[in-house]
Amino acid sequence: KAGVTQTPRYLIKTRGQQVTLSCSPISGHRSVSWYQQTPGQGLQFLFEYFSETQRNKGNFPGRFSGRQFSNSRSEMNVSTLELGDSALYLCASSPRARGNIGELFFGEGSRLTVL
Amino acid sequence: QKEVEQDPGPLSVPEGAIVSLNCTYSNSAFQYFMWYRQYSRKGPELLMYTYSSGNKEDGRFTAQVDKSSKYISLFIRDSQPSDSATYLCAMTAFSGGYNKLIFGAGTRLAVHP
Repeated sequence: KAGVTQTPRYLIKTRGQQVTLSCSPISGHRSVSWYQQTPGQGLQFLFEYFSETQRNKGNFPGRFSGRQFSNSRSEMNVSTLELGDSALYLCASSPRARGNIGELFFGEGSRLTVL
Repeated sequence: QKEVEQDPGPLSVPEGAIVSLNCTYSNSAFQYFMWYRQYSRKGPELLMYTYSSGNKEDGRFTAQVDKSSKYISLFIRDSQPSDSATYLCAMTAFSGGYNKLIFGAGTRLAVHP
């Protein structure tokens, strides 16, 4: 069974630009969550989607948004990039209807560098 | 004060040692407790998942939860260089109508031959 796939794996952007990251969950998993990981803050929850609906959102500004498609694939978008947005963005899928119970399967992440 | 406290290390041990990794937490509502392992430049992978107080064993790994002390541990027996990674504890609580999942900062472990 294929794991969680994230694209692109690495990208470099400049301040003010926007970026879209993509995530394909494990087949059959309908819950998808996004996390930001930085050395200083660790893993921070961005949002969770289930059946195309955002069920849960972390404490991030409105520049961070996401969506989920009918095939459970998800995208997240960051607009007006800031230097502090440089991070590893991780997508995780869950076989449970309530994904944030904690049984998460992570992708390898998209490493974003903002210059 | 953070809801979940985890010593970031690094922790360096010789091959074959018993490793003890720990997290403390302040929110008594946490119900599910997990340990994830993250290799460099990879995403975290779930190692252990427990619900109640007590011990759970899986091969060389033992997860221990003490809800009365708000303390969880992961023990690694006969540690191997391949165990060198960052170990993150995580726990969930039902709060404000949804499940809140909180990760610890992660402990970097290095097992040297």
